[in-house]
Amino acid sequence: GAGVSQSPSNKVTEKGKDVELRCDPISGHTALYWYRQSLGQGLEFLIYFQGNSAPDKSGLPSDRFSAERTGGSVSTLTIQRTQQEDSAVYLCASRRGLAGGPEDTQYFGPGTRLTVL
Amino acid sequence: AQKITQTQPGMFVQEKEAVTLDCTYDTSDPSYGLFWYKQPSSGEMIFLIYQGSYDQQNATEGRYSLNFQKARKSANLVISASQLGDSAMYFCAMREGRTGFQKLVFGTGTRLLVSP
Repeated sequence: GAGVSQSPSNKVTEKGKDVELRCDPISGHTALYWYRQSLGQGLEFLIYFQGNSAPDKSGLPSDRFSAERTGGSVSTLTIQRTQQEDSAVYLCASRRGLAGGPEDTQYFGPGTRLTVL
Repeated sequence: AQKITQTQPGMFVQEKEAVTLDCTYDTSDPSYGLFWYKQPSSGEMIFLIYQGSYDQQNATEGRYSLNFQKARKSANLVISASQLGDSAMYFCAMREGRTGFQKLVFGTGTRLLVSP
């Protein structure tokens, strides 16, 4: 079946503009995660969804960042008034459920590379 | 405190040889999972292998195996018979807890270069 998809693959924007990044998880996966990867760094957790609820938003770096998920499927990460330090690759991952174990792995999408000029 | 430590920024290996990528972790939770992901230049994170804290045997997936030493809190990835296509960044990650939201905490990665 199809993997996690993200759009756009690349986004260049001017400082101060708002951007929306989209994630389509694997069908049937109830858990969805957003991570951020700055140049040469590991991944930094941003937010987690279980269904349409976000029980953990602790990784969002500021109130300019928000995310929603609708229908237990597609998620949108919105960054308002973008700053140059927001430039990074934004990765989305989905996971089947709450069971844990090897079959409950997070699978990642290809990412959106955001460049703020 | 850093929870996942990858001390090798870069590693070189010749094609067909084996290579070990180091990972140590820190947690007080008795239930956790350890993952290795590969990130080629295309940017996608590709899941390679998983080891649960209660697993008695080391995980293996094809040419990948995980050398899990619980007392030392290490989870090194062994790639046997390296191929040119193995050149990529490799990330070790940990999930704490048995259930719940299970966010992954990543190390800083090791860049592997396989030469002909």
